[in-house]
Amino acid sequence: EAQVTQNPRYLITVTGKKLTVTCSQNMNHEYMSWYRQDPGLGLRQIYYSMNVEVTDKGDVPEGYKVSRKEKRNFPLILESPSPNQTSLYFCASKPQGQGFTGELFFGEGSRLTVL
Amino acid sequence: AQSVTQLGSHVSVSEGALVLLRCNYSSSVPPYLFWYVQYPNQGLQLLLKYTSAATLVKGINGFEAEFKKSETSFHLTKPSAHMSDAAEYFCAVRLHKGGSQGNLIFGKGTKLSVKP
Repeated sequence: EAQVTQNPRYLITVTGKKLTVTCSQNMNHEYMSWYRQDPGLGLRQIYYSMNVEVTDKGDVPEGYKVSRKEKRNFPLILESPSPNQTSLYFCASKPQGQGFTGELFFGEGSRLTVL
Repeated sequence: AQSVTQLGSHVSVSEGALVLLRCNYSSSVPPYLFWYVQYPNQGLQLLLKYTSAATLVKGINGFEAEFKKSETSFHLTKPSAHMSDAAEYFCAVRLHKGGSQGNLIFGKGTKLSVKP
């Protein structure tokens, strides 16, 4: 089954304790992206990657890191989490190239609480 | 720069009534437009998309949307609401660059409630 898989789905952590949210897709998509969803603010893009070893900042990159060493994986790293990073996080992917209209395929989301 | 505005953060309708969720976009070039639905505790699922073909687009679950260039709108409608339609709906725009380049920009979402 074609899917985007995120782990963990739920996490409660404390300020300053490094954590990684993993994202993996099995559709051979070149493009991957991370969003955070907050009430009243919709989805805001954190980072995206056009292909392996190519990443770029989205609208709200502060406090986050990403890497794209393999095509299927795009982990989101919070080096020193703070309470304002409490949010619902989504990973998404899409193929690149002509003939594709650009819609994203989303994971189920990861709800992170930083105390 | 392109942007998306969804009018109304909450919309409530009775079961069987018309659903109308509003989306306006700004873009200096022909956009690609999308509606996504998010059911509770789930990820976003594509409902329908406009890609410069027919202006009236039909999607899943009986939803449709009409692209109106003169009004820069892409409103989502469904003739008769079901309880199962209760969810949050997001409108998104992508700049058409002759390929799939370009990030999606999302509106802030509209939560639809359906009353029995």
